[in-house]
Amino acid sequence: AQSVTQLDSHVSVSEGTPVLLRCNYSSSYSPSLFWYVQHPNKGLQLLLKYTSAATLVKGINGFEAEFKKSETSFHLTKPSAHMSDAAEYFCVVSDPWAGNNRKLIWGLGTSLAVNP
Amino acid sequence: GAGVSQTPSNKVTEKGKYVELRCDPISGHTALYWYRQSLGQGPEFLIYFQGTGAADDSGLPNDRFFAVRPEGSVSTLKIQRTERGDSAVYLCASSPGAGLAGLETDTQYFGPGTRLTVL
Repeated sequence: AQSVTQLDSHVSVSEGTPVLLRCNYSSSYSPSLFWYVQHPNKGLQLLLKYTSAATLVKGINGFEAEFKKSETSFHLTKPSAHMSDAAEYFCVVSDPWAGNNRKLIWGLGTSLAVNP
Repeated sequence: GAGVSQTPSNKVTEKGKYVELRCDPISGHTALYWYRQSLGQGPEFLIYFQGTGAADDSGLPNDRFFAVRPEGSVSTLKIQRTERGDSAVYLCASSPGAGLAGLETDTQYFGPGTRLTVL
């Protein structure tokens, strides 16, 4: 069975410092992995997606994530936080080999606060 | 082009009433998904359409919930005899629907959601 664990419910960083949001997953085969961001009162926006190509995935707004199969991790990073990065971040896994099942399995989210 | 749109943006109703929530997917997307998001939680899968048919409705919590997509485009989520526990943000997403024959999962594009409040 697939599952996702976001290791921190809240992360607080200072503007200009690095961001690390941690995610571990469990999947039966070769998963697709995503990070989505949700700003207050806004819709979910895709940050980046891993689908078995390059293990280091670059996304929008300077974010990137590295797929590490041996650690079953897909941590999200950004070298320098901006105030506008404050939002809720969701790590998501899907098993594309699960037939017609296109369900996304969501983590509980990590709330990122950026302090001036 | 336009993204996924959902109407209404907010809906307040009384316990026991019937509500309909509408989703307009991205043009050309054959797959459509409904999720429910409660405060402080991640989205919870409800139902997935491929074309006009519900390919997976395993997430619908009970038979008060029903969804249709009669022409393979717009979808309506219907909730009968609403309860206070149904209060949540209902999210709709669409995707191209093809993927690569199972080698990857389609990216899902989300609408802004409908905030449902049952008093």
